[in-house]
Amino acid sequence: DVKVTQSSRYLVKRTGEKVFLECVQDMDHENMFWYRQDPGLGLRLIYFSYDVKMKEKGDIPEGYSVSREKKERFSLILESASTNQTSMYLCASRPGDNYNEQFFGPGTRLTVL
Amino acid sequence: EDQVTQSPEALRLQEGESSSLNCSYTVSGLRGLFWYRQDPGKGPEFLFTLYSAGEEKEKERLKATLTKKESFLHITAPKPEDSATYLCAVGGTGGFKTIFGAGTRLFVKA
Repeated sequence: DVKVTQSSRYLVKRTGEKVFLECVQDMDHENMFWYRQDPGLGLRLIYFSYDVKMKEKGDIPEGYSVSREKKERFSLILESASTNQTSMYLCASRPGDNYNEQFFGPGTRLTVL
Repeated sequence: EDQVTQSPEALRLQEGESSSLNCSYTVSGLRGLFWYRQDPGKGPEFLFTLYSAGEEKEKERLKATLTKKESFLHITAPKPEDSATYLCAVGGTGGFKTIFGAGTRLFVKA
């Protein structure tokens, strides 16, 4: 079975802190994604990576950056956390292009105080 | 612009009361239509992929169907454990993204 793991299930940070969210997949998938999910807004794509060191902005990249140094690991960075970044963050991986389904991690519930 | 609309937003059923969830989509060249189940506080779990109009797939009490404009997720004789949010998504030829709908929250009462 494909497994996508995220470093934390719950995280509480203070405004202005730098926050790292880590995601690891074990199936050698080329593509990895970071989403945030908010009530009433559904899943919104933050960033996408199609290869090591390659990235594309999604729909809401402002205030976020990403890093993919190894194929299995995709990190989301909040350079200076703000209260409006309080959300559920979901990582996903996908083999190949969008004929294929995505496999999601369990999510990180981030609260910024 | 690629778009996915799910209805209803929420659906309350009695155990054993069959019903359907709707997913209407517009996409430039459908590559795949996906159904996911999401339990509260967890990541979405993949259910089905449909690729062309007329295709159907089944899993236990769930059956997904596809036309050129919409997909239905039929739930036959649901049980309380089927309570979850069901997400529909499409992948098109216009880019790398998968476009997700807002979901239908299903509540099944015993």
